[in-house]
Amino acid sequence: QKEVEQDPGPLSVPEGAIVSLNCTYSNSAFQYFMWYRQYSRKGPELLMYTYSSGNKEDGRFTAQVDKSSKYISLFIRDSQPSDSATYLCGFNDMRFGAGTRLTVKP
Amino acid sequence: NAGVTQTPKFQVLKTGQSMTLQCAQDMNHEYMSWYRQDPGMGLRLIHYSVGAGITDQGEVPNGYNVSRSTTEDFPLRLLSAAPSQTSVYFCASRGQVDNQPQHFGDGTRLSIL
Repeated sequence: QKEVEQDPGPLSVPEGAIVSLNCTYSNSAFQYFMWYRQYSRKGPELLMYTYSSGNKEDGRFTAQVDKSSKYISLFIRDSQPSDSATYLCGFNDMRFGAGTRLTVKP
Repeated sequence: NAGVTQTPKFQVLKTGQSMTLQCAQDMNHEYMSWYRQDPGMGLRLIHYSVGAGITDQGEVPNGYNVSRSTTEDFPLRLLSAAPSQTSVYFCASRGQVDNQPQHFGDGTRLSIL
């Protein structure tokens, strides 16, 4: 079993849709959970960061962590074309998912 | 706001050549790291440093060397380039506290023929 698994997509949604991005992990030592957004030909930029189970909300973005199931999610509400990017999950900022490419169509 | 600066942005090498990828940060961060990003494999840690004079290996260190003579700079050296090292390389930095997320540069795209 891979230490981190992330559906690579690609994922295409219409503008205004709710997007759900997910990662699973197997390492119980992971205590910090991040979501990064990466635009084409750019470096990853931190979007959300949490260290506890439950939900964390920031504007249109909600990060969800379920430590018992070793599962994290990122929800994007009212998705915009500017959200089109690759989204990476990160664990303890040392292990990363392969990224999910998202396209939001106007 | 420079943040993390990587040079060059693009490079083409021949097999067996050596080169140094440069990384500099202006945030006085103690922790710096190098990753490679390949399709379907995500970011993989090559080497990292917790401060000047201290470096350690990550997940995929073979074929790469690093040094950290100053807080600001963390160069990555390819000693004898191989086609398997064709990738996008990212440098990142963060403060010393473990749970601080990293700031990434915009990458160096390296092709080895």
